[in-house]
Amino acid sequence: DQQVKQNSPSLSVQEGRISILNCDYTNSMFDYFLWYKKYPAEGPTFLISISSIKDKNEDGRFTVFLNKSAKHLSLHIVPSQPGDSAVYFCAASGTNAGKSTFGDGTTLTVKP
Amino acid sequence: DTGVSQNPRHKITKRGQNVTFRCDPISEHNRLYWYRQTLGQGPEFLTYFQNEAQLEKSRLLSDRFSAERPKGSFSTLEIQRTEQGDSAMYLCASINSGDGATYEQYFGPGTRLTVT
Repeated sequence: DQQVKQNSPSLSVQEGRISILNCDYTNSMFDYFLWYKKYPAEGPTFLISISSIKDKNEDGRFTVFLNKSAKHLSLHIVPSQPGDSAVYFCAASGTNAGKSTFGDGTTLTVKP
Repeated sequence: DTGVSQNPRHKITKRGQNVTFRCDPISEHNRLYWYRQTLGQGPEFLTYFQNEAQLEKSRLLSDRFSAERPKGSFSTLEIQRTEQGDSAMYLCASINSGDGATYEQYFGPGTRLTVT
């Protein structure tokens, strides 16, 4: 049973527009959620995170929203830039910073 | 560069052979994680250490897999009697789980294993 799901394998947006990447989870014990970005031939790089006690966290062009009742989070990128083109992974962690459980990723393409 | 490093970056081996990978975490990080990633999927947790203690192992980690972190610094992941299904990217990550730490993990570039 996949506990973290990213249902859209790919997303294509125009430069300057908003990119919205979605993630659903099933385990109520998750209390910390993270987004990572991955370029080819590199390991994932941390992008932004949110604790389960919050519903929004913003960092520059990146905002993560958490809806605990729906077990859903989303990453908004505004404005999108061609350099944002990468695979984005949603991840969730329980207490004590143990293992993270990852979704299968969404490939974002930002067209100039 | 003080990031997480992994060696080798690529490994091609024949089925049945043993392979060993090494991970050097960020020096002040006390926790070290191993993940496996196959094409089209996200990283899948294998095991993690706090200092030299192995705190959790995934059920995916068959008895052919073993990991060590003998002095609480670098770690090795060994796969014995490799199978074609072991072909994947093996990722290492580290964090500092001390006071004020966050959950974000710092990943190395990975070791790509191909079993022929």
